[in-house]
Amino acid sequence: RKEVEQDPGPFNVPEGATVAFNCTYSNSASQSFFWYRQDCRKEPKLLMSVYSSGNEDGRFTAQLNRASQYISLLIRDSKLSDSATYLCVVNGGQGFSFIFGKGTRLLVKP
Amino acid sequence: AAGVIQSPRHLIKEKRETATLKCYPIPRHDTVYWYQQGPGQDPQFLISFYEKMQSDKGSIPDRFSAQQFSDYHSELNMSSLELGDSALYFCASSSGLSIYNEQFFGPGTRLTVL
Repeated sequence: RKEVEQDPGPFNVPEGATVAFNCTYSNSASQSFFWYRQDCRKEPKLLMSVYSSGNEDGRFTAQLNRASQYISLLIRDSKLSDSATYLCVVNGGQGFSFIFGKGTRLLVKP
Repeated sequence: AAGVIQSPRHLIKEKRETATLKCYPIPRHDTVYWYQQGPGQDPQFLISFYEKMQSDKGSIPDRFSAQQFSDYHSELNMSSLELGDSALYFCASSSGLSIYNEQFFGPGTRLTVL
């Protein structure tokens, strides 16, 4: 089982839709969690850190469920510019290594 | 705002050659991470440095080495290049050594090994 798993998608949604991504991680010792977005052939860009209490930034909401070892990202009122691959990142549980999921691809259509 | 700078942006090498990739972190960032992203793959953690010392090591091949200098820039040295080393190499930087610190990525160096 891969350490960080994501549904690869693609998720095809119309503009204005709400879409949710999940990410599961296998190491119960992991303590920090992030969502990045990556456009084709570009660098990953930080979207948001994920805190235990959950956090929201505009149209984006991240949740952490430690008991079930998953994090989620909710995007409301999808924009065309949200089309990208969304990467879940989890620290390795010890040391300072970080593990990326393979990403979930989102396509927002007019 | 200043971002992470990587050079070169593109590099083409022959098998068995050597390559050096450079990374200049965001000003006042003292932690650098290197990642390798193959075609259609997720970024794989290679190695990280904090205050010029190696802080963690991931799936970095023995043929590769890296270091961080006094000005906090980092170099990834790759020897005996193989076709499978063709990938996008990202450097990321953060401030301080903490698993909670957010990493900011550079634009990457695209290495092609022929």
